[in-house]
Amino acid sequence: DQQVKQNSPSLSVQEGRISILNCDYTNSMFDYFLWYKKYPAEGPTFLISISSIKDKNEDGRFTVFLNKSAKHLSLHIVPSQPGDSAVYFCAASGLGNTPLVFGKGTRLSVIA
Amino acid sequence: NAGVTQTPKFRILKIGQSMTLQCAQDMNHNYMYWYRQDPGMGLKLIYYSVGAGITDKGEVPNGYNVSRSTTEDFPLRLELAAPSQTSVYFCASSYSSGQGEKLLFGSGTQLSVL
Repeated sequence: DQQVKQNSPSLSVQEGRISILNCDYTNSMFDYFLWYKKYPAEGPTFLISISSIKDKNEDGRFTVFLNKSAKHLSLHIVPSQPGDSAVYFCAASGLGNTPLVFGKGTRLSVIA
Repeated sequence: NAGVTQTPKFRILKIGQSMTLQCAQDMNHNYMYWYRQDPGMGLKLIYYSVGAGITDKGEVPNGYNVSRSTTEDFPLRLELAAPSQTSVYFCASSYSSGQGEKLLFGSGTQLSVL
C-alpha cells in the first residue's frame, strides 16, 4: 500500500506560469517532507523540505505547503522556467531512523 | 569532488549471471541506501545501512545482498540476475536520518537483464 502518493504522473505548464505539484500521504507518523528533482540520466537532487510543525516553507521560486489535517502537501514553482522540466519526487520521513518513503513522481514539462 | 560515486553506469547481464554494483562516498556519512527506480514506479528502497557492519532490508530486498565493511563503501550484489531486476539503481548517503537530513544520490546504474 502506497504511503506517499503523487496522483498526477505528468504536468505541462507554460513558461512564466505557476506549476503546482501535489502529494498525499497516509501515515500520520510522517513528520518531515521533502521534494527531490530528477533530470534524465542523473540522480535525484534535494529541492526543498518542510517540517510538520510548519505549514509553509519558501526558497526562491519554490514554496512547499503542508496541510496536516488533509495529509496533503504541494510544491509551487513561480515563475516556471524551461529548466524546471524534470521529474519531481515527494518523500516523507517518520520518527527516528526510518528511511525516506518516496512517491512515484510527477514529470513536469515547462513549455517555452 | 565530494559525493556519491556509483559504478558502472550501464550494464547488460544475461539471466542467471551475477554482478556487484559499487557505491562509494567520501563524506564520512553514516547512512547509506540502495534504491531502484522502475518506470512510473518511483524509488523503492532495497537495503540500507546505518553504519559499518550494520545493514537492514528495505521494501524490495529479494534477489539482492549487501555488505558494509567500511563507512565509505556499500556494494549491492545480484546473485542470479532475473529480468525483473532490470531497473535503474541509485545509491544514496546521509550523515544521519530523521528530521533535517537530506539524502545525497549518486548518478545511477542502468541495468538490463536479458
